[in-house]
Amino acid sequence: EAEVAQSPRYKITEKSQAVAFWCDPISGHATLYWYRQILGQGPELLVQFQDESVVDDSQLPKDRFSAERLKGVDSTLKIQPAELGDSAMYLCASSLEAGANEQYFGPGTRLTVT
Amino acid sequence: AQSVTQPDIHITVSEGASLELRCNYSYGATPYLFWYVQSPGQGLQLLLKYFSGDTLVQGIKGFEAEFKRSQSSFNLRKPSVHWSDAAEYFCAVGNNAGNMLTFGGGTRLMVKP
Repeated sequence: EAEVAQSPRYKITEKSQAVAFWCDPISGHATLYWYRQILGQGPELLVQFQDESVVDDSQLPKDRFSAERLKGVDSTLKIQPAELGDSAMYLCASSLEAGANEQYFGPGTRLTVT
Repeated sequence: AQSVTQPDIHITVSEGASLELRCNYSYGATPYLFWYVQSPGQGLQLLLKYFSGDTLVQGIKGFEAEFKRSQSSFNLRKPSVHWSDAAEYFCAVGNNAGNMLTFGGGTRLMVKP
């Protein structure tokens, strides 16, 4: 069964350092999402891609976060510099297309900033 | 703006007992509603979804949910809980395109033997 792949699964970094997460969506899925899930809360959408274009990044803290999906397939989310408050689970999801379709989630990357 | 409230942070039920998890949403038009389950350290798995039509929706793993527009609710139910159902459950509402999900804070389910 096709799955969304994410790496690394766990990342520990010191504050002010740069960190990057990678996501490979299910093959053929045009829409890709990055979510942040703080412990004890529900996921919060950071950015949505349709192919290689950003559809919505209104909740992305653009002073330190960036996301790209250059070839419309895999995607990278970067934080520079990391802050203590960035400690969270970062989830990637994909769907066949934007719309009334199921979003398939990856296992997530657990980030701890010390 | 759309929002979701899950009033119960923790629920404990005995194995074999029935289960109902509450979800209330706020959305200006006909909502797209979802229930997801998350096991510890894992991503989210879709249990069921409602877009239109029959207000009682069947999902995977024996779960069902009922959409009640008058109460702005979409409660999740299961007639007999299994120990493997212990997890965190999230209700979500999507915009009129079905994306742009807004999640509730989640309900953690514990199952007693």
